[in-house]
Amino acid sequence: AQRVTQPEKLLSVFKGAPVELKCNYSYSGSPELFWYVQYSRQRLQLLLRHISRESIKGFTADLNKGETSFHLKKPFAQEEDSAMYYCALSKGGGSNYKLTFGKGTLLTVNP
Amino acid sequence: EAQVTQNPRYLITVTGKKLTVTCSQNMNHEYMSWYRQDPGLGLRQIYYSMNVEVTDKGDVPEGYKVSRKEKRNFPLILESPSPNQTSLYFCASSFGWANTEAFFGQGTRLTVV
Repeated sequence: AQRVTQPEKLLSVFKGAPVELKCNYSYSGSPELFWYVQYSRQRLQLLLRHISRESIKGFTADLNKGETSFHLKKPFAQEEDSAMYYCALSKGGGSNYKLTFGKGTLLTVNP
Repeated sequence: EAQVTQNPRYLITVTGKKLTVTCSQNMNHEYMSWYRQDPGLGLRQIYYSMNVEVTDKGDVPEGYKVSRKEKRNFPLILESPSPNQTSLYFCASSFGWANTEAFFGQGTRLTVV
């Protein structure tokens, strides 16, 4: 069974400090991984996906298959980054599609 | 505007009174799903649908029903709501199921007393 683990429920940093939100997964096949973000009183939205290898709002995430991790990083946190972040893994193919979310990490960036 | 719309946004009901939460998307997406979000548990998938008349259970389907008679609509039905179904519910849709972005509704906060 696929599983996504975000070990930190809460993460608090100061503005300008680096931030890393951890995500580990377990899945026997080739994973498709995503980070979703939920700002206060807003709907969930996609932040980035591993296959795109892109940087969005200064965030990057690298898939490390050896460590089964997909940590989200930003070198200099901003106050507007404060939000709930969810790591997600999708298992595609056939009739058994599933998108599994971690429990989320609430990031607070203090001034 | 491309979006996923849920109604109602807020609902307080009593135990046992059947209710339906509607979800509609205007992006011609094939895949739709329902999640519930609970503190400390994150988002858990209730049901999903890969196309019209094709639905399947997610991780926590007990106490819920869904239907997919049209591509754009995917209502969530609680035949006999119980207090443990008090939660924040999200509907989502995506174009496919392989590495595609899921678009979420605004959420429905349900309280069952």
